[in-house]
Amino acid sequence: IVLTQSPATLSLSPGDTATLSCGASPSVTNNFLAWYQQKPGLAPRLLIYGTSNRATGIPDRFRGSGSGTDFILTISRLEPEDYAVYYCQQYGDSPWTFGQGTKVEIK
Amino acid sequence: EVQLVESGGRVVRPGGSLRLSCAASGFTFTNYAMHWVRQSPGRGLEYVAGISDDGNRVHFADSVRGRFDISRDNSQKTVSLEMGRLRIEDMAVYYCVRSENFWSGYTYFDSWGQGALVTVSS
Repeated sequence: IVLTQSPATLSLSPGDTATLSCGASPSVTNNFLAWYQQKPGLAPRLLIYGTSNRATGIPDRFRGSGSGTDFILTISRLEPEDYAVYYCQQYGDSPWTFGQGTKVEIK
Repeated sequence: EVQLVESGGRVVRPGGSLRLSCAASGFTFTNYAMHWVRQSPGRGLEYVAGISDDGNRVHFADSVRGRFDISRDNSQKTVSLEMGRLRIEDMAVYYCVRSENFWSGYTYFDSWGQGALVTVSS
């Protein structure tokens, strides 16, 4: 399954809302889709699994939604620590695959 | 605190071999499947291999099948990636990660190590 993330880069100000897209071809089985955040020099961190379930310790500013071929990660009220690269990953069908990432940068 | 600590990354020549290890702590190791995911500028994040909690089932990406092997020692809480016939395109940061289960529907990765850099160069 190929995951295509858009946009490649999102330039936003603190307090804005970020909307990140992840498109799948073909569709993701049972909506088994996760989102990760990665900051420079660090490993990715799990944010969302099962399309909309927040991982432990993830604030409710992060919201996942979607189904089938179209998934969204919404980050409300951007905080300075939210500027990072975000990846989607499907785990419904082997091989598990990742999108190429969306960078959220400070405007 | 969950900790996954990789070791073994270094420079290796094309065609060479390398063993990466991952030491786990802070959780019940035998309750989790373990995997390796790699990241490179050219290929992004890429799943490499996985092993079930009991070590009886393994899974490999097509790109490494037949060249890499994965194993675990539950008594030592370690997982290893044996890499053979290395290619330039295998050059990446290799992350040790865990998942709740080995099967589809559970293989999202809730903990990651800091990564081990493998450089393939002559």
